[in-house]
Amino acid sequence: QVQLVQSGAGVKKPGASVKVSCKASGYSFTNYGISWVRQAPGQGLEWMGWISPYNGDTNYAQRFQGRVTMTTDTSTNTAYMELRSLRSDDSAVYYCGRDGRRVSIFGVIDSWGQGTLVTVSS
Amino acid sequence: DIQMTQSPSSLSASVGDRVTITCRASQRINTYLNWYQQNPGKAPKLLIHAASSLQSGVPSRFSGSGFGTDFTLTISSLQPEDFATYYCQQSYSTPFTFGPGTKVDIK
Repeated sequence: QVQLVQSGAGVKKPGASVKVSCKASGYSFTNYGISWVRQAPGQGLEWMGWISPYNGDTNYAQRFQGRVTMTTDTSTNTAYMELRSLRSDDSAVYYCGRDGRRVSIFGVIDSWGQGTLVTVSS
Repeated sequence: DIQMTQSPSSLSASVGDRVTITCRASQRINTYLNWYQQNPGKAPKLLIHAASSLQSGVPSRFSGSGFGTDFTLTISSLQPEDFATYYCQQSYSTPFTFGPGTKVDIK
């Protein structure tokens, strides 16, 4: 079965960076894209961007441009999301999810990781 | 960016009730509309994509409809495991945006 397993929770200081991993199994990693979505405590869902493990194409939400980098490692079937210059309002649960096909972004996330809580605090 | 709104923001219902949640987009999105269910502390789960296509494994009591700007999610007979928060999401254009959610709790 499709499974996405994310890295553990962490606490970061303002201005620091965080890199969240998402290891996929149960399907052909390069045949599907990966979207990243975050959810601040008690708040709704916010789409951050998408990456194609097939060719590395990315599509970032404008508000994260310049601060986020999404990458994949096809040798380990793992996707990564790095967010830099962290602020307190970046405190959230970050989710990865399977989305789209090869080089096509669909915006339909049919399988989700368990989420990674990132807390930004001095 | 396309703005998504949902109504109501919360509702109380009983097991067996028929429940309808409405979602509206700020511009026409054809049928590029998806619905997710989220239980507390859990990841969202895809229920319906393309406005009315039931995701594999999702019970048939869930249904979706709509086109353009106005969409609905209907639960025909609410079950105990359906008490959760429901989000609509447009996949017409990036950034893909979600509605603020509708919390369904027990009356």
